[in-house]
Amino acid sequence: GAGVSQSPSNKVTEKGKDVELRCDPISGHTALYWYRQRLGQGLEFLIYFQGNSAPDKSGLPSDRFSAERTGESVSTLTIQRTQQEDSAVYLCASSLRFTSGGIQETQYFGPGTRLLVL
Amino acid sequence: AQTVTQSQPEMSVQEAETVTLSCTYDTSESNYYLFWYKQPPSRQMILVIRQEAYKQQNATENRFSVNFQKAAKSFSLKISDSQLGDTAMYFCAILSGNTPLVFGKGTRLSVIA
Repeated sequence: GAGVSQSPSNKVTEKGKDVELRCDPISGHTALYWYRQRLGQGLEFLIYFQGNSAPDKSGLPSDRFSAERTGESVSTLTIQRTQQEDSAVYLCASSLRFTSGGIQETQYFGPGTRLLVL
Repeated sequence: AQTVTQSQPEMSVQEAETVTLSCTYDTSESNYYLFWYKQPPSRQMILVIRQEAYKQQNATENRFSVNFQKAAKSFSLKISDSQLGDTAMYFCAILSGNTPLVFGKGTRLSVIA
């Protein structure tokens, strides 16, 4: 597609339920990132995927959070047993690649999923 | 670890005027990239401008330009001829080493007619 897409656009759930958020990166982008943005705050890094390498999960706030990506396609972020503190906008971004050695690629963001946990 | 500080939570500017948003950062890396992203109420993060640290020349994109002061670790964004559509949150971010983007807390800019 032309840009990064995310679904659903908005999600309301009850405390304790599991939710799945989906991200479709830009075609050809090998790197994919998830961020969380709490109300009025900047973005917090959660996890990123680079091709078939093991993902960097260093930003995941708890073991209730997990993410998967098959190859260089769609990614899903799963939050189990949701808590009210999980309420936020979850943003996905993709880039051509993410490499060490100083070669960095600009990230392009999706519109986000607004999650509200009641 | 990288840090980004935006010291202006909110700013306002009259339409057609010029405004400068401040950003300072810290990194131990010698090679890094700096970005300004715009987030309008639609919440879509839009890349405004990018600066490679090894380039001395300040990046420019139409009405948007930066003042990159490497020694001072400062990266301010200047918006000329402000337009109502520039109203948004603006985030400064740094990308270096093996760490993903690190963002500042943002500056809310309001352009007033």
